Amino acid sequence: GESVGLHLPTLSVQEGDNSIINCAYSNSASDYFIWYKQESGKGPQFIIDIRSNMDKRQGQRVTVLLNKTVKHLSLQIAATQPGDSAVYFCAENRNAGNMLTFGGGTRLMVKP
Amino acid sequence: NAGVTQTPKFQVLKTGQSMTLQCAQDMNHEYMSWYRQDPGMGLRLIHYSVGAGITDQGEVPNGYNVSRSTTEDFPLRLLSAAPSQTSVYFCASSYSFPSWGVAFFGQGTRLTVV
Repeated sequence: GESVGLHLPTLSVQEGDNSIINCAYSNSASDYFIWYKQESGKGPQFIIDIRSNMDKRQGQRVTVLLNKTVKHLSLQIAATQPGDSAVYFCAENRNAGNMLTFGGGTRLMVKP
Repeated sequence: NAGVTQTPKFQVLKTGQSMTLQCAQDMNHEYMSWYRQDPGMGLRLIHYSVGAGITDQGEVPNGYNVSRSTTEDFPLRLLSAAPSQTSVYFCASSYSFPSWGVAFFGQGTRLTVV
């Protein structure tokens, strides 16, 4: 079993639906943001990143939206699959500094 | 390629004991770092290194030491284990500093201090 993520907010979606995971960041000076996926028993895995001079970036089945006015970041996953079930973390970095600040994470559960 | 290898995967320590968590990477990455992950939380940076012979403190360095004598290895030492250090520890490496987007994480070491 896993000891992390016991009190995480959970998003439950039906297979094939779109998922939206939200993240509020704290530092208005943050200029680089990353979404990570963490499966049970594994380390975080990079999904997609975005810099503060952009408000949208798309990858394969994923889109990140950045709203600097309200300091909000979201990850959209299209056509969610069972393999997308994991904990998702957003992270922020300020001025190419040496520390990433991670959010608390959201557990995504995909129902078949 | 093995990527980032952490050993051990699991460890139980008694309060006051010391131990070293091992981290090795075979990708010739300059940047390596150690994080801890507590239940319901994201990762917090303990220490990091931008190259052999260079280390620096992260967000939560107290109670931990690191060294970087080679590019490949970045061990994390717990000097006198405390129950508050019960956590899952991740080592990460990347091509350059700070290439967060291409950071490779190890599988983690689950540490329990009793």
